[in-house]
Amino acid sequence: GAVVSQHPSWVICKSGTSVKIECRSLDFQATTMFWYRQFPKQSLMLMATSNEGSKATYEQGVEKDKFLINHASLTLSTLTVTSAHPEDSSFYICSASTYRVEAFFGQGTRLTVV
Amino acid sequence: QQQVKQSPQSLIVQKGGIPIINCAYENTAFDYFPWYQQFPGKGPALLIAIRPDVSEKKEGRFTISFNKSAKQFSLHIMDSQPGDSATYFCAASSFMRFGAGTRLTVKP
Repeated sequence: GAVVSQHPSWVICKSGTSVKIECRSLDFQATTMFWYRQFPKQSLMLMATSNEGSKATYEQGVEKDKFLINHASLTLSTLTVTSAHPEDSSFYICSASTYRVEAFFGQGTRLTVV
Repeated sequence: QQQVKQSPQSLIVQKGGIPIINCAYENTAFDYFPWYQQFPGKGPALLIAIRPDVSEKKEGRFTISFNKSAKQFSLHIMDSQPGDSATYFCAASSFMRFGAGTRLTVKP
């Protein structure tokens, strides 16, 4: 099956710093990548959708200047949490799909801002 | 944001039982309905998916039933095992809207 690798799997950072999370499709070309945020015992909330080579489309209420998404190639998308604060602590998950058919998920990144 | 309504929120069954999780959607443009299984601290894994041109799809112990007119679909897990204990999410279409999730516990 298709493999999506997300890195790092966990990160702890100081308040005010920026953190970059990578999402790579290892054995297929992902035309679309999705970024989600998940709070404990809750569902996945879509943050943004990105298509290779174009700007990401953010969901209502998601600050695009805070959550920078880059999808520079068909196998890599990055999410940068800028000027992170404790309330940004969460589980971030990416998924990748080809032409928005099946979507395959990364293993998630646990971000803790202290 | 949720355009897919999932129930129940939690479910406890005995080993060998058949838990059923239901989802309802509103947008008739949705054309792809996957189910995902998620263990704590892991990303969701695709279990099974269906398109609206069929009413049922079976893969191993997992079956999706789809009712296009009612805009509902459900996941059935046959001969459930303790290892099936996880959170299950339904989703709809390429927009990847997820249901709220169902926490399944299968007791030995």
